[in-house]
Amino acid sequence: GQSLEQPSEVTAVEGAIVQINCTYQTSGFYGLSWYQQHDGGAPTFLSYNALDGLEETGRFSSFLSRSDSYGYLLLQELQMKDSASYFCAVRERPMGFQKLVFGTGTRLLVSP
Amino acid sequence: GAVVSQHPSRVICKSGTSVKIECRSLDFQATTMFWYRQFPKQSLMLMATSNEGSKATYEQGVEKDKFLINHASLTLSTLTVTSAHPEDSSFYICSASTGFVNEQFFGPGTRLTVL
Repeated sequence: GQSLEQPSEVTAVEGAIVQINCTYQTSGFYGLSWYQQHDGGAPTFLSYNALDGLEETGRFSSFLSRSDSYGYLLLQELQMKDSASYFCAVRERPMGFQKLVFGTGTRLLVSP
Repeated sequence: GAVVSQHPSRVICKSGTSVKIECRSLDFQATTMFWYRQFPKQSLMLMATSNEGSKATYEQGVEKDKFLINHASLTLSTLTVTSAHPEDSSFYICSASTGFVNEQFFGPGTRLTVL
């Protein structure tokens, strides 16, 4: 079966660093993406890892270890506006087109 | 660029009626569109994948006769919830992909409430 597990909630203060982990078990694997979603809003793309290692995009970094079926999203210099839900998503590729399987989601609460 | 719109943003309907939700890619041609459902405080669950001009591919457990998907053009896909019931109340989100970029662009979602 397919499963992508994330911690349900993480809390931190402004300016801190937080890491959100994702462990996955899927039938196909083409890469790991991360999305941010504010309440009632659309998911927005943050980062994508197809190969092992760290990808850095501004305050956000994402890491992947395919041998461990594990990845994480690292958020630095946290701001209040970073309070949102964060989803990892595995890109599968059945039958030649992309398909995303989303993780359980992590709710990040940033306090002053 | 890469903007996806959905209409309506919110809809309230009576049980037994049908509701149509539109998803449009505004500034690019979407070879593939996806429909997701999200219950409160839960993850996004893929319902179906549609390619322009062909039948949609539904995920296991999703009733294709209840959730009708039409991808009539490279910029428009529609999801029709037929004979809606209160358990169909959810947040429905579409996304679109060009097929050339490893990314899906998400619409703002449609909140459906069935009374």
